Amino acid sequence: DAGITQSPRHKVTETGTPVTLRCHQTENHRYMYWYRQDPGHGLRLIHYSYGVKDTDKGEVSDGYSVSRSKTEDFLLTLESATSSQTSVYFCAIRAQGGGETQYFGPGTRLLVL
Amino acid sequence: SQQGEEDPQALSIQEGENATMNCSYKTSINNLQWYRQNSGRGLVHLILIRSNEREKHSGRLRVTLDTSKKSSSLLITASRAADTASYFCATDADDYKLSFGAGTTVTVRA
Repeated sequence: DAGITQSPRHKVTETGTPVTLRCHQTENHRYMYWYRQDPGHGLRLIHYSYGVKDTDKGEVSDGYSVSRSKTEDFLLTLESATSSQTSVYFCAIRAQGGGETQYFGPGTRLLVL
Repeated sequence: SQQGEEDPQALSIQEGENATMNCSYKTSINNLQWYRQNSGRGLVHLILIRSNEREKHSGRLRVTLDTSKKSSSLLITASRAADTASYFCATDADDYKLSFGAGTTVTVRA
């Protein structure tokens, strides 16, 4: 699992509340990614990071923000959760040393009521 | 928008049979990757094929790539119950991001 953990693993929240998901890696990888997975859509990129304090938007970034103040942590924040953000969220890292493959965390199931 | 699209969406086969799924994409790529996802788990990388390669093997997996048709196929030979999973293709356009398709769900019947 390339030393990737996500927390929490499950969360139920109410519409309008802020939510922060955490991705933690232990192997000093430069690139980190947040995806959401919904039935029929596969994985869609929300935001990614290419270094501390260096982040960029993916294809479905509206309603989400990210922060990376340390190499090992990449945070995803839903400023005001909506029901459309009910999903499974995956964090991934890009392998070091020239590899192009990504390694995924176990996922966080988020339900917004 | 998603780059890759898999076909079929779902596939049910008998143990021991081969499973073939296809992926089509829209723009030029650096490489194409296949991932597997078991129910409730994260994705696991299976195989990567570069744009200058036409075929690649890994154990019971065989991947082909036709850049002129912008398509790839994944063949799993002699399937086992443990191969039951969803399979995703992902394209890498050399910008450090992957674009995933919606996946093919494979069920292997005992």
